[in-house]
Parts: sequence; C-alpha cells; structure tokens
Amino acid sequence: SQQGEEDPQALSIQEGENATMNCSYKTSINNLQWYRQNSGRGLVHLILIRSNEREKHSGRLRVTLDTSKKSSSLLITASRAADTASYFCATDLGGSNYKLTFGKGTLLTVNP
Amino acid sequence: GAGVSQSPSNKVTEKGKDVELRCDPISGHTALYWYRQRLGQGLEFLIYFQGNSAPDKSGLPSDRFSAERTGESVSTLTIQRTQQEDSAVYLCASSSFGSTDTQYFGPGTRLTVL
Repeated sequence: SQQGEEDPQALSIQEGENATMNCSYKTSINNLQWYRQNSGRGLVHLILIRSNEREKHSGRLRVTLDTSKKSSSLLITASRAADTASYFCATDLGGSNYKLTFGKGTLLTVNP
Repeated sequence: GAGVSQSPSNKVTEKGKDVELRCDPISGHTALYWYRQRLGQGLEFLIYFQGNSAPDKSGLPSDRFSAERTGESVSTLTIQRTQQEDSAVYLCASSSFGSTDTQYFGPGTRLTVL
C-alpha cells in the first residue's frame, strides 16, 4: 500500500484562486517533500519539510505538517495557469530508511 | 552537467528484446534512484544506490530488471526480455545524500514495448 497518498486526485480552479492539496502517510517519517510534474516527465522539487517542522513557506507555496495526524498540506496562493501540473508528496519510512515513496499525485488544473 | 540527464528520451522496442536506459547524475551526488511511472500513476521505486554501499534493489519488479552504477557516476537500468507491461516512463534522480536532501530528477525515458 502507498506510504503517501494525495487528496484530491484532481482539482480544477480559476486563476487567482488558492489551491490546497493534502497528503496522508502511514508510518513515522524523517521528512516529507512535495514535487511538481509537468507533462508526465521529470519532477521538480518544490519544498522539503522535516518532521520537527510544522510549517514552511517558499514564495506562493505554504506547506504544513502534522505528525500527530500523519498528514501534510500544500497551499498554492494566487494560482496561475502555469501552475497546472501534477503534484506529488514523497515520504521516507523513518529511522534509517531514507528511501522515498510517492503518492499517485493530485492533478491541478488552473483555468485562465 | 547542470542537471540529471537520461538517455534515450524515448525508446520503442519489440516484446522480448532487451533495453538499456542510462542515467548521468549530478556530479558529486552520492545517491541515485530509479523509478518507474506508469501512465496516470505515481512513481514506483525500483532501486537505490548510495555511494559504495550495496544497492537497495527491493523495488525491482522481477529478475528481468537489473541496474548497475559505476562508483558515483553513470547508472544503467537494464530490462531483459521486455514485456508490454514494462511500458512506462523510467525516471532517474540523484541527491547529495539519501533522501535527507532534495532529489533532482532527470527528464525520464519513455519506454514503449510493442
């Protein structure tokens, strides 16, 4: 079963609106990362949040992590058409196991 | 180079043939990963190399899949006797140390098995 799972599977919004995507995971982690993928090819790293952090910002991105609920959220503010992509969360399995596992992603469509 | 590169970008092969996919990681990155992504799906971990340690092969789906890495440089993923279900995008990533650091992905190789 997936270590990380994103929700919703698909999200369609208008330009200028905010987009929120969620990720849930099953075991304790060292860190959680969010990636973006355009056109089904290479992934681009967006942000990494460590297990002892609760919130992190990068430009229009805001990531939260709640280790008690084993969940994270990615907020994109003031969305643009160029934000249209699939977004994946990636988690490790905690302890000394740093292998990353990815969810199936959220497909975000930002309509002009 | 500045980023992770992969070759070829696209590969079409016939069922039963062997294929080799190549990954050039970012110079100095000790960790290298291979993933498979089927159409509309998330990334599936295949194999992980970390320095000179024994690779983590736990994600390889069958003995038809193998990968090698020379030191901390180029890696080759080999699929023998390809099957149609092997059709996917194969992504390579590298990082400076395991997943405690950001993984940088290559553009992928799109494999189509006819």
